[in-house]
Amino acid sequence: EAQVTQNPRYLITVTGKKLTVTCSQNMNHEYMSWYRQDPGLGLRQIYYSMNVEVTDKGDVPEGYKVSRKEKRNFPLILESPSPNQTSLYFCASSSNDPSSYNSPLHFGNGTRLTVT
Amino acid sequence: RKEVEQDPGPFNVPEGATVAFNCTYSNSASQSFFWYRQDCRKEPKLLMSVYSSGNEDGRFTAQLNRASQYISLLIRDSKLSDSATYLCVVKGGDDKIIFGKGTRLHILP
Repeated sequence: EAQVTQNPRYLITVTGKKLTVTCSQNMNHEYMSWYRQDPGLGLRQIYYSMNVEVTDKGDVPEGYKVSRKEKRNFPLILESPSPNQTSLYFCASSSNDPSSYNSPLHFGNGTRLTVT
Repeated sequence: RKEVEQDPGPFNVPEGATVAFNCTYSNSASQSFFWYRQDCRKEPKLLMSVYSSGNEDGRFTAQLNRASQYISLLIRDSKLSDSATYLCVVKGGDDKIIFGKGTRLHILP
């Protein structure tokens, strides 16, 4: 089954404790992206990657890191999480240009992160 | 003016009714437009792309008005299962993908 898999689904952690949220897709997609969703603010892009070893900042990259060593994986790293990073996170992927009508974004199930 | 604007709703609509909502965008160079559906606490899923000539998929019709810079979504014969948040997505002139904040729709039995 074609899918984007995020782990974990739920994570509660404390300020300053490094964490990684994994994202993996099995559709051979070139494009991958991370979003956070907060009430009243909608989906905001954190980082995106057009292909292996190519990553770019989105709208809210501060406090986050990503890597794209393999095509299928795009982990999100929080080196020193803070309470303002409490949010619902989504990973998404698509083939080539996500604006193409033939390549919509496929989203993972989401990771609900709480930083205390 | 915000890049992509939607009426947050909620729209409370009786089952079987027709409902329509719009999304306005500020960048006249925007090229691509989509409607996504998001159920509570779930991931967004593509509902339909929006083509320049307008397009229909069953009970759903999407329209694009470039002159007035808005897209619309029309749902006919609404079902209880249509209750969700509908996200407008626009690809800006700088290759950015911008999501609207969504319009909440509640279909009432």
